[in-house]
Amino acid sequence: GNSVTQMEGPVTLSEEAFLTINCTYTATGYPSLFWYVQYPGEGLQLLLKATKADDKGSNKGFEATYRKETTSFHLEKGSVQVSDSAVYFCALRASGANNLFFGTGTRLTVIP
Amino acid sequence: NAGVTQTPKFQVLKTGQSMTLQCAQDMNHNSMYWYRQDPGMGLRLIYYSASEGTTDKGEVPNGYNVSRLNKREFSLRLESAAPSQTSVYFCASRAAEFEGSGANVLTFGAGSRLTVL
Repeated sequence: GNSVTQMEGPVTLSEEAFLTINCTYTATGYPSLFWYVQYPGEGLQLLLKATKADDKGSNKGFEATYRKETTSFHLEKGSVQVSDSAVYFCALRASGANNLFFGTGTRLTVIP
Repeated sequence: NAGVTQTPKFQVLKTGQSMTLQCAQDMNHNSMYWYRQDPGMGLRLIYYSASEGTTDKGEVPNGYNVSRLNKREFSLRLESAAPSQTSVYFCASRAAEFEGSGANVLTFGAGSRLTVL
């Protein structure tokens, strides 16, 4: 079946620290992979995506590379800001599927 | 451009009461979804509608019904609310496959927080 496993939180970092949130997946075929972000009191919004192996998605200083050999899509940012405090969700969409499968979410808090 | 609009934003119900969550999108998307978000569980799909006139069960459909009223609107109904249905509910929509890369992206509403006492 299809599933996403992501790093348990919460994660607390100081401003300008390096961020990694791990995400691994199980899927049939060649899924598309996503990171969504949820700011306090809001719905989820797309942060970045990758649709095939070795693609790198990037946005707002965040990056993630689609690694088929390790079935991973880890989220990284070189220098986090207080405004990055949010919950981050890894997700996949299997080829031809209607649905997205989400991980459990990782809460990030960045302190000044 | 409103995107996906959900109402109400907050609701408190007593066990056994019924209610309907409304969702509307103005992006001409074909597919619409209802998810629930619970602590430690991430988002779980309740029902989805791949196109106007069709609906399908997701992971956790028990206790819910849906109606795809037209292309814009997709409502979620709780016929007899239970405390286990206390959650934050999100509606989302997605473009059709033939629209290319946009079909990969879900657009979410702001959420509806439901408490069942």
